[in-house]
Amino acid sequence: NAGVTQTPKFQVLKTGQSMTLQCAQDMNHNSMYWYRQDPGMGLRLIYYSASEGTTDKGEVPNGYNVSRLNKREFSLRLESAAPSQTSVYFCASRDRGRTEAFFGQGTRLTVV
Amino acid sequence: QKEVEQNSGPLSVPEGAIASLNCTYSDRGSQSFFWYRQYSGKSPELIMFIYSNGDKEDGRFTAQLNKASQYVSLLIRDSQPSDSATYLCAVVGSNAGGTSYGKLTFGQGTILTVHP
Repeated sequence: NAGVTQTPKFQVLKTGQSMTLQCAQDMNHNSMYWYRQDPGMGLRLIYYSASEGTTDKGEVPNGYNVSRLNKREFSLRLESAAPSQTSVYFCASRDRGRTEAFFGQGTRLTVV
Repeated sequence: QKEVEQNSGPLSVPEGAIASLNCTYSDRGSQSFFWYRQYSGKSPELIMFIYSNGDKEDGRFTAQLNKASQYVSLLIRDSQPSDSATYLCAVVGSNAGGTSYGKLTFGQGTILTVHP
């Protein structure tokens, strides 16, 4: 049982390049989330999908887009990377109601 | 006002002492509250969850919830050096079918250091 799988684990981009971070969960969870984590800032919500077919903005959505491809997969796209997007990105999933979230191992992204 | 606020610390306690971590939230209708622990370079892992007013104990950990004050806390008794980590408070938004339904928001985390 893999849980939540994120790819890639590490990535270096040049300013202006685009890329997609992939996330897949095998727990049949309804909700999926993308966070970024910067030193001293905790986990800041970028986008989330409360259920298949819906996506909503979080606290810091600018510069990002998401796709809930199906119930298992939720991708995060950077169309034109900027150095301010250098961060560690976490994907998470959880089921309906009063349930905990499970996290992927994170993607460390550096934009130069 | 941030949706979930924590004292960022750092909080330093001696081994064997009680560590007290605090969190406030703005969504009065929130029903689910979580405490996660995160070691440096690792993913967050769940320590406790609490849904009802009052205390919930699990081993050395006690979570406390006061919905009237919109306040949730975590007590760690007999603190150990292995408890040194960042502790994250998380809240699930209410308003089923509305704008905050299913939204999981974290505080900025409190860095705890337990020194021998």
